[in-house]
This record gives sequence, structure tokens and C-alpha cells, in this order.
Amino acid sequence: NAGVTQTPKFQVLKTGQSMTLQCAQDMNHEYMSWYRQDPGMGLRLIHYSVGAGITDQGEVPNGYNVSRSTTEDFPLRLLSAAPSQTSVYFCASSYEGLPNTEAFFGQGTRLTVV
Amino acid sequence: AQSVTQLDSQVPVFEEAPVELRCNYSSSVSVYLFWYVQYPNQGLQLLLKYLSGSTLVESINGFEAEFNKSQTSFHLRKPSVHISDTAEYFCAVFRTAGNKLTFGGGTRVLVKP
Repeated sequence: NAGVTQTPKFQVLKTGQSMTLQCAQDMNHEYMSWYRQDPGMGLRLIHYSVGAGITDQGEVPNGYNVSRSTTEDFPLRLLSAAPSQTSVYFCASSYEGLPNTEAFFGQGTRLTVV
Repeated sequence: AQSVTQLDSQVPVFEEAPVELRCNYSSSVSVYLFWYVQYPNQGLQLLLKYLSGSTLVESINGFEAEFNKSQTSFHLRKPSVHISDTAEYFCAVFRTAGNKLTFGGGTRVLVKP
């Protein structure tokens, strides 16, 4: 079972470039989320989705867009990359809302903006 | 707003010694508490969680955590660590609005032989 798959694993961008981080899950999970991980700050929620066609903002949404056209995919778009967006990004999914079900995390995308 | 504080950013410990990772949270409502582990170059994995009932919860690999409502703490312990326990550990609090987990800053455990 693939679980939660994130691509790419590593990416270097120049300031101002745009890109899309991909996240796919094959567990038929309704809930999907994007987090960024920065040293000493744990993980912070960027955007989340409770089902296809439904998205909402988390704690740190500025500079990022998401869409959820299918249950399986939840891409994260950086519109104009900035050095402050250098981070490790994690996608997570769960069958239904926490806390009763487990959230599964991808292996992360390490992004560097120069 | 909820916050989660992990008091130690790094904990070096010798193999077979005990370890305690401290976690305190702030919340005025009922909480659900989690510990996640992140092994090097991997994503997060659920270690254990407290939802209700017994305040002492255990994982399959020997970790345990105790929910202390009066002290708003959820400290993680293991009586004897292995080299393979080297990882970063995150405490998290769940709030029902928006299915959101709030994470602490993480504690990096380095087990030395």
C-alpha cells in the first residue's frame, strides 16, 4: 500500500518562482491537510480539506493555494516563492475527523527558496 | 488559542537508561492529546494518544504517557531506551474545529551507546 505519497522529495526554487507540491493518498480518506515544519516550531497547519471540493485555511495560509478536485489528490501551490517559505512540507490524511482515526503523513518535501 | 510547549528541545540519553519528554498544553476545553515520532528523513507516525478513560496510555514499543488534567501535562516516558528510539518526538493537541492538530516544537532524542 502506498499510503500518502508526496512529490517531489526535494526542490530548490528561486525567489518569485511558482510551483506545486503534489500529495496523493490511496486510502479513500476524506480529510487531507498540509503542514510546514520549521525548527523549534513543530508543524503548523497551512490548509486542509474535509472532502472533494471543500478546502479551508489553517494557521499559516498566506502565499499558498490549494484545491481538492478529487478525493485522492490535494496539491499545494506556491504562487510566488519567498525565502520565508523554505521549510519541510508534510501532507497528511485521515479517514474521518480526528481524534477517532489516525492521521497518516507523507515523507515530506524539503523546499529551499534562494 | 491552544498552545503546546515541549520544554526540552534536545534530550541526550544513554542506551537502556530511562527518558522523559515533557509536554504542557493550554486549553480551556476538553482536549485530545497525541504523541508523534519522526525518525530521520521520514514523516510523522502516531506513537500514542489520549482520548478519554484511563489517564495512562501505552504504545506497543514501550512508551507511555500520562494525562494530568490539573497540571495540563502529557509527559512521555520510556523506562529503558534503545538506539532505535533516536528520533524527534512531537506532542500535539487536537481541537474539533477544523480537524486541527496543534503541535509542540518537538524534542530531539539522541540515544548514545
